[in-house]
Amino acid sequence: KAGVTQTPRYLIKTRGQQVTLSCSPISGHRSVSWYQQTPGQGLQFLFEYFSETQRNKGNFPGRFSGRQFSNSRSEMNVSTLELGDSALYLCASSLGGTGRTGELFFGEGSRLTVL
Amino acid sequence: DAKTTQPPSMDCAEGRAANLPCNHSTISGNEYVYWYRQIHSQGPQYIIHGLKNNETNEMASLIITEDRKSSTLILPHATLRDTAVYYCIVRVDGSSNTGKLIFGQGTTLQVKP
Repeated sequence: KAGVTQTPRYLIKTRGQQVTLSCSPISGHRSVSWYQQTPGQGLQFLFEYFSETQRNKGNFPGRFSGRQFSNSRSEMNVSTLELGDSALYLCASSLGGTGRTGELFFGEGSRLTVL
Repeated sequence: DAKTTQPPSMDCAEGRAANLPCNHSTISGNEYVYWYRQIHSQGPQYIIHGLKNNETNEMASLIITEDRKSSTLILPHATLRDTAVYYCIVRVDGSSNTGKLIFGQGTTLQVKP
C-alpha cells in the first residue's frame, strides 16, 4: 500500500512569507503528526492531529499551525517565516488507536529553505 | 517520558553484529522502549519496541535488562545499508499520544566494508 506522501519535497521562501505543507497519510491511518528537523535541534515534535482535532502540541510558537481534513490528510502552515525555520519538515502517520501506538510511518519530508 | 542516553557514534564491520546500547535509567514501569533509525535524507523508520521481554523481528533484536534501565539493539548481520542514525525512545503507549515521539541525538552507526 502507498506510504506517507508529502508535498512539496523542496521549496524556497523568503523571510516574512508564509508556507503550507501537505501530508497524505497511509490509507486507514487517522493520526498525523508533524516534526521539524534541523542540524542544531534534531528532530522535534510539532503537533499531532487525530480525527480533525489537534490533540498534542510541541513547544513551537503560534506561527506554526496545522489542520486535518475529514479524509485524514493534513496541512501545516508557517507564517511570517524566519531564517531559523529552514528545516526538513516530516509528517508521520499512525493508526491512532490501541496496540503499537508508537509505531509511526514517516514520509520523506519537505525541505524548506528560507532566504 | 524518560530520557535516554546513547553514544554519539559507533562503527561496525559489514557482516558482523552491530550492538547499539541505550541507557534509560529513569524509565517508568509503563514506558516502552522504541527504536527508530534514519537513513540519510529519509524519514525515520520504526525498527522494534518492547516493554520488558526481549523482542525479535525481521530487522533486529531488542534486549532489555532485567531492571529495564538499559537496552541493546542488535542488528545481527550489519550491511552497508544499515548505516544510519539510530534513535532509542522511551514512551508511555496510549491512545491519546500515538503520534508524539521525543527524539534524542541518537547514535550514528557507520557500517564499514
